Amino acid sequence: GAGVSQSPRYKVAKRGQDVALRCDPISGHVSLFWYQQALGQGPEFLTYFQNEAQLDKSGLPSDRFFAERPEGSVSTLKIQRTQQEDSAVYLCASSSKRLRPTVQPQHFGDGTRLSIL
Amino acid sequence: DQQVKQNSPSLSVQEGRISILNCDYTNSMFDYFLWYKKYPAEGPTFLISISSIKDKNEDGRFTVFLNKSAKHLSLHIVPSQPGDSAVYFCAASRYYGGSQGNLIFGKGTKLSVKP
Repeated sequence: GAGVSQSPRYKVAKRGQDVALRCDPISGHVSLFWYQQALGQGPEFLTYFQNEAQLDKSGLPSDRFFAERPEGSVSTLKIQRTQQEDSAVYLCASSSKRLRPTVQPQHFGDGTRLSIL
Repeated sequence: DQQVKQNSPSLSVQEGRISILNCDYTNSMFDYFLWYKKYPAEGPTFLISISSIKDKNEDGRFTVFLNKSAKHLSLHIVPSQPGDSAVYFCAASRYYGGSQGNLIFGKGTKLSVKP
């Protein structure tokens, strides 16, 4: 498809389990972002890739969170030993390279709703 | 400390009238501002953006105004339609290191357009 694709759409896991969330960005987009959205809040930044390089992971809440994009296309966000506070919608966004003064917006997928029991 | 604030959680407008959604920011380093629209169970959809070198950008029924001195931007929708009913997020970013930075979002404003 033409847009950002995320899978699964819904994930239910028991506390302590590991989960993996997948993002397939728009073809040709070099920049990829992961965000976490809690109920009633705006999305919050987790991490950023430019091609396969993870340039910013300052938003990852703990070392249980890990993201990769090994071939510069599909990305996976992994959460180890999940806890209840990890329950949220995880959004992936991609954009083409930003060249000043032209700016390119980030385009979002529909997200993965993660529920930790 | 919230860097992007949307102080109105909700807004109700009659169909055909103007909708004005407001957003304030605190970081003067932001140089790119965007508005996203979000329906339930869907991801945010890009609506319109503005660079800090401009004070207005228009796209059809949507106009974004930027007041840098007041660190304030607003989205005007004219005329409002029932299909515009959604949550609207204001977002900001800055350019650094040769690439676009991550977006900082407000908490959103739920717009209801009544027929």
